[in-house]
Amino acid sequence: GAVVSQHPSWVICKSGTSVKIECRSLDFQATTMFWYRQFPKQSLMLMATSNEGSKATYEQGVEKDKFLINHASLTLSTLTVTSAHPEDSSFYICSARERREGGDEQFFGPGTRLTVL
Amino acid sequence: GQQVMQIPQYQHVQEGEDFTTYCNSSTTLSNIQWYKQRPGGHPVFLIQLVKSGEVKKQKRLTFQFGEAKKNSSLHITATQTTDVGTYFCAGRKSTASKLTFGTGTRLQVTL
Repeated sequence: GAVVSQHPSWVICKSGTSVKIECRSLDFQATTMFWYRQFPKQSLMLMATSNEGSKATYEQGVEKDKFLINHASLTLSTLTVTSAHPEDSSFYICSARERREGGDEQFFGPGTRLTVL
Repeated sequence: GQQVMQIPQYQHVQEGEDFTTYCNSSTTLSNIQWYKQRPGGHPVFLIQLVKSGEVKKQKRLTFQFGEAKKNSSLHITATQTTDVGTYFCAGRKSTASKLTFGTGTRLQVTL
């Protein structure tokens, strides 16, 4: 199957700083990427849909000014957590959609564990 | 909005016992996917079901999509310690719509 990478795999930062997470589709082009957040022992919650060359679509309750998404190329989307606070500590997972005949498939990255002190 | 619930939330079995998790959607689904997430890991795609009443098998795992395309199940026969993890279903209302994850079922298997 297709491969999606994320960088970094984990990050620890101080409260008030910004953190950038990269999501790359390694062997296919992804016009659409998705950003999820998962708190401990909970399900994945979709934060936003990232479309190449246009603005991201945010889910209800997700602050677009706090979680900046940039999808500048067909293989890269970035999520920047601005002015991070301890409550932003979570597991952030990206996913890239590959268009195929017969239906699209969605491939998940390995996730980024963010800890805000 | 669309809700996808799974039961049970948690199950603890002894190795060799069977296990089933049930997934129920508030809306009719175009397709449903199942994922496994090991502790500390990320979701790994297991399978996709598309047709009403579809049943698929992967070794000891049996996946079923309900006739009404609103529910699904995953059954594991003779569990092993390697089956430990959280199993999520995820469904779409249409092929172009977003994937909504279920609440997950955490499986613990002991010897």
